Amino acid sequence: DAKTTQPTSMDCAEGRAANLPCNHSTISGNEYVYWYRQIHSQGPQYIIHGLKNNETNEMASLIITEDRKSSTLILPHATLRDTAVYYCIVRSGGTSYGKLTFGQGTILTVHP
Amino acid sequence: EAEVAQSPRYKITEKSQAVAFWCDPISGHATLYWYRQILGQGPELLVQFQDESVVDDSQLPKDRFSAERLKGVDSTLKIQPAELGDSAMYLCASSLVGERGFYEQYFGPGTRLTVT
Repeated sequence: DAKTTQPTSMDCAEGRAANLPCNHSTISGNEYVYWYRQIHSQGPQYIIHGLKNNETNEMASLIITEDRKSSTLILPHATLRDTAVYYCIVRSGGTSYGKLTFGQGTILTVHP
Repeated sequence: EAEVAQSPRYKITEKSQAVAFWCDPISGHATLYWYRQILGQGPELLVQFQDESVVDDSQLPKDRFSAERLKGVDSTLKIQPAELGDSAMYLCASSLVGERGFYEQYFGPGTRLTVT
């Protein structure tokens, strides 16, 4: 699976959009981009995933560049409860097989 | 909403002792994962089950760690003997299985192990 690079930490004001970047320059054609987050003392939680098209669900939007070498997770109206570690993961295929390879992630702090 | 259950939530043990963790996945989820998360790092897969069979245990320290899922439902992870470096959060996750389509992994709350 391709490696990802994320900023170590980011801050965001409550109510504003949080834009979390991820670089995955070695991604291959059949690899998906997944985002999970981990709130303190809890297990990771799935947010969203995509292949090449932009995706949106009730939690967030995922913007993938045309060359697929980077992506951005957008939380449109961040709340204090969105403070967490956000993991960008690249994995082959769209199946449930295989492990998730977590990196260090981005610590997002949402402040009042 | 169905959840992955884990117990105990916290465990303190002395080095060289045996310790065991239990996981009950979401009903109907054939795939079960055990991850270890050291403080400040992301989770790392230890073992993956498909029903009762191990499909990936390449990162499991087999000299001291063992895992089983006898009836393809709940699972136990054991460490014997525990070492100071085993102090970590042990996370269990489960998912549906399929060759096509995406099935997200649902994580339990984890067991925080402290070895003294």
